[in-house]
Order: sequence, then structure tokens, then C-alpha cells
Amino acid sequence: DTGVSQNPRHKITKRGQNVTFRCDPISEHNRLYWYRQTLGQGPEFLTYFQNEAQLEKSRLLSDRFSAERPKGSFSTLEIQRTEQGDSAMYLCASSLYRDFEQFFGPGTRLTVL
Amino acid sequence: RKEVEQDPGPFNVPEGATVAFNCTYSNSASQSFFWYRQDCRKEPKLLMSVYSSGNEDGRFTAQLNRASQYISLLIRDSKLSDSATYLCVVNERDMRFGAGTRLTVKP
Repeated sequence: DTGVSQNPRHKITKRGQNVTFRCDPISEHNRLYWYRQTLGQGPEFLTYFQNEAQLEKSRLLSDRFSAERPKGSFSTLEIQRTEQGDSAMYLCASSLYRDFEQFFGPGTRLTVL
Repeated sequence: RKEVEQDPGPFNVPEGATVAFNCTYSNSASQSFFWYRQDCRKEPKLLMSVYSSGNEDGRFTAQLNRASQYISLLIRDSKLSDSATYLCVVNERDMRFGAGTRLTVKP
């Protein structure tokens, strides 16, 4: 399967714990995006990378969230000191260039108890 | 005002009906526009890009009105398989998604 993959698919954690998600984009895509989606809403932009450089970060993103793409391939999204309001689907997408189609992964569903 | 606003729906239509969705955006500097489709519990997938001159792909027609800052999607001869949520997407420095319009096509 050469699509975007995300792991884990589901994560249940207790409030205050740290969690880390991984995204493997389509191999030749140099742009990688993270989104958060809650029920009844569209995906909300969090951040994106061009190769290993993090070029944009939503001002809505608290400092508990951090993302990396160390070698310009896979990316990780870490949430520290999780809160119940962090419960959502976290989607990763990749694209070849800026205005090209974004291909989404299946998402990681986070539940914070 | 939200950056991208869509008809809230839901739209419930019979097979064969024509249905239209509208979307407005707030940033006049937005450069590219898309419609994505999202099935229940699935990831979004590109339906079509929206070009300034308007474009058609089979039963689907997209229009862009830059002066009024709105985008539309028209679906003709709707099929049961068209049932999904349709997301309007506007690209500024990053992609901004609308909340989506849910469509249910019934037999």
C-alpha cells in the first residue's frame, strides 16, 4: 500500500499523559500536513512541513503540541499533558506541491479520559 | 466570521435529483479552491479542484465567483453513492476546510 499511513489508529489515554502519533506520507511527497477533526466539523489545520522544515503552525495550536519531521520523510505529532478537549481525530496528509491534491491518511482517533 | 462557511445541510434528496452546495470564504487573497468528499468514518478525498472559469467532471460542476467570494458545487442526476459529506476547501497559506455539508441520496 503506497498511500499515507498513520499509527496508531486509536489511542485512549488518561488526562495528563503524553501521546505521540506517527505519519508516513507518500514517499515522493515533500509536503506533510497535520489536521485535527472533531465530530461535525471539517479538518482544522495544525501545521505543515516542506521536507524537514516546519513552515506554518496554527496560532490555535497550544505549546503542548509539537511536531517533527526529522529526515523529511515520516512525521510525529506529540501532545503533552493531554486534556479532554484534545479528544479528536488527528489526520495527516501529504502532497507533492503546494496547490496539489492532498492525500489523507486514515487518521488516529484520540480519546482522553 | 468563519474563514470558510458552508450550507449546514443536511440535504436529503431522491435519486436523480440535482443538488447544489454553496461555500463562502473570507480571505480575498485565497488562491486555490477545492471540493473534497468525506464518507462516514473515512478520510477526506479530493473530489475536484475549482478553477476560475468553472469546471465540470461528469455529473459534477464547480464554479468560483471571486468578486463575491463564493464557490459552488452542483451534482446532477444524484446517485445513492453520492451520499457523503462535501467539504469546501480554500488555500491561503494553508488549507482551510469548511465544516462540510452532509448529503443523503435516497432511493
